[in-house]
Amino acid sequence: GNSVTQMEGPVTLSEEAFLTINCTYTATGYPSLFWYVQYPGEGLQLLLKATKADDKGSNKGFEATYRKETTSFHLEKGSVQVSDSAVYFCALSLNNAGNMLTFGGGTRLMVKP
Amino acid sequence: GAGVSQSPRYKVAKRGQDVALRCDPISGHVSLFWYQQALGQGPEFLTYFQNEAQLDKSGLPSDRFFAERPEGSVSTLKIQRTQQEDSAVYLCASRRDSSSYNSPLHFGNGTRLTVT
Repeated sequence: GNSVTQMEGPVTLSEEAFLTINCTYTATGYPSLFWYVQYPGEGLQLLLKATKADDKGSNKGFEATYRKETTSFHLEKGSVQVSDSAVYFCALSLNNAGNMLTFGGGTRLMVKP
Repeated sequence: GAGVSQSPRYKVAKRGQDVALRCDPISGHVSLFWYQQALGQGPEFLTYFQNEAQLDKSGLPSDRFFAERPEGSVSTLKIQRTQQEDSAVYLCASRRDSSSYNSPLHFGNGTRLTVT
């Protein structure tokens, strides 16, 4: 079956620190990969995506590269801000069931000033 | 409003009661999804509609769960004879068309269901 595994949180960093949140996947086929973010009190929002191997998704200073050889899609940011504090979800979709998403368990990021 | 709207925001039900959760997707969006998010976990797929047609309901955990979208816009998720394990946040999401490559998925803020 399809599954997504991401590092458990919470991840606590100081402002301007480097962020990595690991994500690996298992899929029958060639998935598209996503990172969603959930800020406190808000709904899930798409942060970035990559639709094929070696693609790099980027947004708001965050980046993730689709690595087929390691089945990974790690999220990185060079300098985090307090406003980045949120829960981050890695997800995949395949071309079935309307491209429904399979999510990882989420990683809570806490950035301290 | 411009986003996906879900109501109620919070629902407390006694075990055995029936509940109905409403989702108003973004106007004109073809695809509509329901997800269940248990505390501290990622969302899990429940069911998918394309317009009024329910094309996939493989994620519904039991026959106590039922979803409908009769006119291809508003959707209702109904849970009969609620159990404590049904306690979760129920998320609705919509998308303009049927392909994830062309349009993003928009999520509502969810309905938090607590079964006591």
